[in-house]
Amino acid sequence: EAQVTQNPRYLITVTGKKLTVTCSQNMNHEYMSWYRQDPGLGLRQIYYSMNVEVTDKGDVPEGYKVSRKEKRNFPLILESPSPNQTSLYFCASSSFNPDSNQPQHFGDGTRLSIL
Amino acid sequence: GDSVTQMEGPVTLSEEAFLTINCTYTATGYPSLFWYVQYPGEGLQLLLKATKADDKGSNKGFEATYRKETTSFHLEKGSVQVSDSAVYFCALSDRDGGFKTIFGAGTRLFVKA
Repeated sequence: EAQVTQNPRYLITVTGKKLTVTCSQNMNHEYMSWYRQDPGLGLRQIYYSMNVEVTDKGDVPEGYKVSRKEKRNFPLILESPSPNQTSLYFCASSSFNPDSNQPQHFGDGTRLSIL
Repeated sequence: GDSVTQMEGPVTLSEEAFLTINCTYTATGYPSLFWYVQYPGEGLQLLLKATKADDKGSNKGFEATYRKETTSFHLEKGSVQVSDSAVYFCALSDRDGGFKTIFGAGTRLFVKA
């Protein structure tokens, strides 16, 4: 089954304690992205990756890091989490076609609470 | 830069009512337009899409037409069901914007039996 898998689904942690949210896709997609969803703001892009070893900042990258060492994986790293990073996070992937815009496939989300 | 504006919710309808959720966009290039749906506790799923002007996307009884002259992509359904209760997101993706996807704020729909 084609899917994007995020882990963990829920996490409560404390300020300053480094955490990683993993994301894996089994569709051989080139493009992967991380979003955060906050009430009234829709989805805002944190980072994206067009392919292995190629990453770039989205609209709200501050406080986050990513890596793309393998095509299927795109972990999101919070080196020193703060309460304003409490949010619902989604990983997404899509195939890349230079001639058209492809829809994205989303994971089920990770709810992070930073105390 | 590119942006998407959709009507604020929540929208509350009775079963079998007609649904319209308005969406307008601004873009420098020629974007593709999407509607995604998010059911409780789940990620977003593609509902329908349109890639050029006058295209009509449709799925599960939902429709939206890409109107370049009014820069709109309104979502419609003739008869909603309780199972349609969800959050709906309008989005655009623009090659000229680096294939980045821009989402609207989302519109929550409640359908009462």
